[in-house]
Amino acid sequence: DIQMTQSPSSVSASVGDRVTITCRASQGISSWLAWYQQKPGKAPKLLIYAASSLQSGVPSRFSGSGSGTDFTLTISSLQPEDFATYFCQQANSFPITFGQGTRLEIK
Amino acid sequence: EVQLLESGGGVIQPGGSLRLSCAASGFTFSSFAMSWVRQAPGKGLEWVSSISGSGTNTYYADSVKGRFTISRDNSKNTLYLQMNSLRAEDTAVYYCAKDITTGTTGWFDPWGQGTLVTVSS
Repeated sequence: DIQMTQSPSSVSASVGDRVTITCRASQGISSWLAWYQQKPGKAPKLLIYAASSLQSGVPSRFSGSGSGTDFTLTISSLQPEDFATYFCQQANSFPITFGQGTRLEIK
Repeated sequence: EVQLLESGGGVIQPGGSLRLSCAASGFTFSSFAMSWVRQAPGKGLEWVSSISGSGTNTYYADSVKGRFTISRDNSKNTLYLQMNSLRAEDTAVYYCAKDITTGTTGWFDPWGQGTLVTVSS
């Protein structure tokens, strides 16, 4: 199985900050990576797929990059509604696997 | 608007069975792969199972293989998850999710609101 490791596990930031979250795959997955946002008590929401493609309706302050084993999610200017937990996910092969999550908190 | 509505969750004793349903609307159901993803209380996301649009191809996590069965009824626009031999570690919110394109990409959007399964004596 492909293991997905996110860092950091949690991060504190302020409105307007630029934040980067990293995801590493245990083996190469080309660009088969997605990022999801989850708020408490809600279902996850797809932000980025294929490593860098912005899902329809997602604000352009979200961006993704990387290929192979190392990937990043960047939020260019944090907004109050962005404080949530973020998960990466690989879809290169079954079983599909998720990272453990990164909790983005208000500083 | 695409909508996914799960049902069938509840409290069940270890060793018991439960069937979850996910009613879909707002898209051509038979054209899209569908999946189940679960989240134990306070934990991360765990993929459970996926099924192709036609229902021909199915995939399972090792943790549920042989105990859970995914299926779909394209005439009813409904996805199912039959869960047998339930264990305490199956306790979670179960989400159904739609693939974003036709085919089986593994990119999930949207997700349903989730249904809670609690396995406890």
